[in-house]
Amino acid sequence: EDQVTQSPEALRLQEGESSSLNCSYTVSGLRGLFWYRQDPGKGPEFLFTLYSAGEEKEKERLKATLTKKESFLHITAPKPEDSATYLCAVQARGSQGNLIFGKGTKLSVKP
Amino acid sequence: SQTIHQWPATLVQPVGSPLSLECTVEGTSNPNLYWYRQAAGRGLQLLFYSVGIGQISSEVPQNLSASRPQDRQFILSSKKLLLSDSGFYLCAWSWGGSVLTFGAGSRLTVL
Repeated sequence: EDQVTQSPEALRLQEGESSSLNCSYTVSGLRGLFWYRQDPGKGPEFLFTLYSAGEEKEKERLKATLTKKESFLHITAPKPEDSATYLCAVQARGSQGNLIFGKGTKLSVKP
Repeated sequence: SQTIHQWPATLVQPVGSPLSLECTVEGTSNPNLYWYRQAAGRGLQLLFYSVGIGQISSEVPQNLSASRPQDRQFILSSKKLLLSDSGFYLCAWSWGGSVLTFGAGSRLTVL
């Protein structure tokens, strides 16, 4: 069964304190791994897609990496506006584009 | 550019009442359309997806149904709501294997 597990469930950081979020997955043929950001009461906002092990992508203070078993979302020198829930999802080969999501990591960055 | 609209944004309904949530996409043709539900403490769960008019695939057996009467319109319905139907409902679209783009969501509370 395709599955995504994210850890930790919640993470509290001080402004400027770098850290990483983990996404472990099992899927019958990975087509892509996706990271989204979700603010309270809003729909998820796309951040990154990773397709193969070793791939990395960056956007501002965020950097996503991918191995054959997991993905990491590294946050460098976070700011309070980075506070949100970060969702990881996988898309299996042969699927009609639908994604399997983890439960998310709720990040709080204090000034 | 493409945009996705969902309504209503918030809905409070009594148990046993009907439900209709609507989603429309602008700026694209023949998109794949999806309904997800996000319940407290759980990840996003795929409910239905559609690859074309009148073509609906159900992922989870329940008292909900979906319809796609037009190319860019996706409707989520129920004849009789249950308490367990409460949650945050998200419509999403993709095209040609592209990234899923989500709407702003509809918050349903069943009392």
